[in-house]
Amino acid sequence: NAGVTQTPKFRILKIGQSMTLQCTQDMNHNYMYWYRQDPGMGLKLIYYSVGAGITDKGEVPNGYNVSRSTTEDFPLRLELAAPSQTSVYFCASSPRTGGLITEAFFGQGTRLTVV
Amino acid sequence: DAKTTQPNSMESNEEEPVHLPCNHSTISGTDYIHWYRQLPSQGPEYVIHGLTSNVNNRMASLAIAEDRKSSTLILHRATLRDAAVYYCILSPTFGSSNTGKLIFGQGTTLQVKP
Repeated sequence: NAGVTQTPKFRILKIGQSMTLQCTQDMNHNYMYWYRQDPGMGLKLIYYSVGAGITDKGEVPNGYNVSRSTTEDFPLRLELAAPSQTSVYFCASSPRTGGLITEAFFGQGTRLTVV
Repeated sequence: DAKTTQPNSMESNEEEPVHLPCNHSTISGTDYIHWYRQLPSQGPEYVIHGLTSNVNNRMASLAIAEDRKSSTLILHRATLRDAAVYYCILSPTFGSSNTGKLIFGQGTTLQVKP
């Protein structure tokens, strides 16, 4: 299993541009998450999904959109990029086993700079 | 979401045990205690989790206070590779709150000296 794969690893955007951060997992996990991490800080939850077709906002959803058309993929869309969105973005997925969600598996991150 | 409190930083010597504390005085009865760590320039990785009883796995041990208001992550023999930020996180187990969302705090930065 490749686990959670994020692309690209690095990206520089100009203010006002848009882009999609890709996230795919091959573990058949229903639960998927997007986090961002600013320098020296803990991770903040942007959006999450409990299954295909179902998404919900996390702590910091403004400026982002998501979709979940398949179990495997959970892309994060940035419209009108702003310098405040300069951050490292992590995608994660979790299985639900016996009614419990326990361990999250994280991707290696996408480092985004908006200039 | 219930809040956790951890020291900002700790130091350890290589091959010695490390005890990383976490306070969570507002924990609810159905909150699991999770520990994750983040090595430099990597995504977080799961370490251990528990509800009431102490837990052991190949990476670490988790000691949970009887009143569940605090817990301690124990690394039995620290190595240089254990230098990381360690996060203690509470996550509800049951019902509609059970979405697996992780609310990260600042964590504890562990430095391991050779």
